Amino acid sequence: EPEVTQTPSHQVTQMGQEVILRCVPISNHLYFYWYRQILGQKVEFLVSFYNNEISEKSEIFDDQFSVERPDGSNFTLKIRSTKLEDSAMYFCASSDRDKGTEAFFGQGTRLTVV
Amino acid sequence: EDKVVQSPLSLVVHEGDTVTLNCSYEVTNFRSLLWYKQEKKAPTFLFMLTSSGIEKKSGRLSSILDKKELFSILNITATQTGDSAIYLCAVRRGAQKLVFGQGTRLTINP
Repeated sequence: EPEVTQTPSHQVTQMGQEVILRCVPISNHLYFYWYRQILGQKVEFLVSFYNNEISEKSEIFDDQFSVERPDGSNFTLKIRSTKLEDSAMYFCASSDRDKGTEAFFGQGTRLTVV
Repeated sequence: EDKVVQSPLSLVVHEGDTVTLNCSYEVTNFRSLLWYKQEKKAPTFLFMLTSSGIEKKSGRLSSILDKKELFSILNITATQTGDSAIYLCAVRRGAQKLVFGQGTRLTINP
């Protein structure tokens, strides 16, 4: 069964460093998302991406964050100058249509900023 | 502000019991309501509901949406230890964004 894959599963980085989280969405999907879940808190929407551009983003998704689809298969989230409060599980998701379908989630990348 | 509230936050039952999980919402531009099961990491999809009053079923799980009262329930009958997980309710607001509730942690004791 097709699935969303994320790498790495766990990343530890020093405060102030840049990290890139990688995702391979399901191959025929057109809509891509990043969500995050701080330990013990809700899953929060960060950004959605369609047709090579951001279609919606939350207040969390400030200038520190950027997304890219560098080729036909990968979808990346870059966090510049990481802060301690960026420590969270980051989930990538994809869907094949916008309104009428569920989003499928990857297994997540646990980011720990020390 | 968009809100999705789940109750209870935590529930412990014995194997074989039936449970009902609740989700209420206040979201602008509602499109659909989704239930996910989160065991270790990734939320896995259970149901998507768009119309009021139509029950969706999958094995021992079922769910229904009430768009007038703005809530949904997820029922699990004859619970098994493998049903232990966090159950997430999410509302699709507008075209794409999902707004999640805080989840219900369900524990099934043998």
